[in-house]
Amino acid sequence: QQQVKQSPQSLIVQKGGISIINCAYENTAFDYFPWYQQFPGKGPALLIAIRPDVSEKKEGRFTISFNKSAKQFSLHIMDSQPGDSATYFCAVQGGSEKLVFGKGTKLTVNP
Amino acid sequence: EAGVAQSPRYKIIEKRQSVAFWCNPISGHATLYWYQQILGQGPKLLIQFQNNGVVDDSQLPKDRFSAERLKGVDSTLKIQPAKLEDSAVYLCASSLNPGRTEAFFGQGTRLTVV
Repeated sequence: QQQVKQSPQSLIVQKGGISIINCAYENTAFDYFPWYQQFPGKGPALLIAIRPDVSEKKEGRFTISFNKSAKQFSLHIMDSQPGDSATYFCAVQGGSEKLVFGKGTKLTVNP
Repeated sequence: EAGVAQSPRYKIIEKRQSVAFWCNPISGHATLYWYQQILGQGPKLLIQFQNNGVVDDSQLPKDRFSAERLKGVDSTLKIQPAKLEDSAVYLCASSLNPGRTEAFFGQGTRLTVV
């Protein structure tokens, strides 16, 4: 049973464009929604995270939008740059329960 | 601040052989995770430690995988005997506490079983 569904599997955008990655979950007990960024040969690194008491969180060019009623959250990358090319994972966690990852989105930003 | 250290970086073994991975978490981090990441997929949690106690090992194939965390610091993950489908990157991560806090990942060990 997949606890978090991520889409799309891959994404190609032009430099300066907006990248949008979506995730959906079922368990309403989840209360922590981080996004991780992974470059080839490296471990994932936390990019930005949100808790369900807010609908949006912005850090620089990265924004999480959270829709509690729809049980969906998304990552928006504004002014996408070639250096943003990486694999992005959404994740969900409830309390001290395990951190569960989506299957990932490979983002390619063309110059 | 030193990151999570893992070794070796790469390992190639034949099926039915055994292998062990080592992880040194960030100093002071009570929670330690081992994840398996198969090519093209997201990390899958194998086992979670809180200090030296196991919090979750529900997805650890216990007939062949074992893990321990000595004195609540370093950890080792062992596979014996290995199967072809164990080929993956094994990631170790640590966090200050369980839940709602950033997990810091090591670079991982890429295992190839031939």
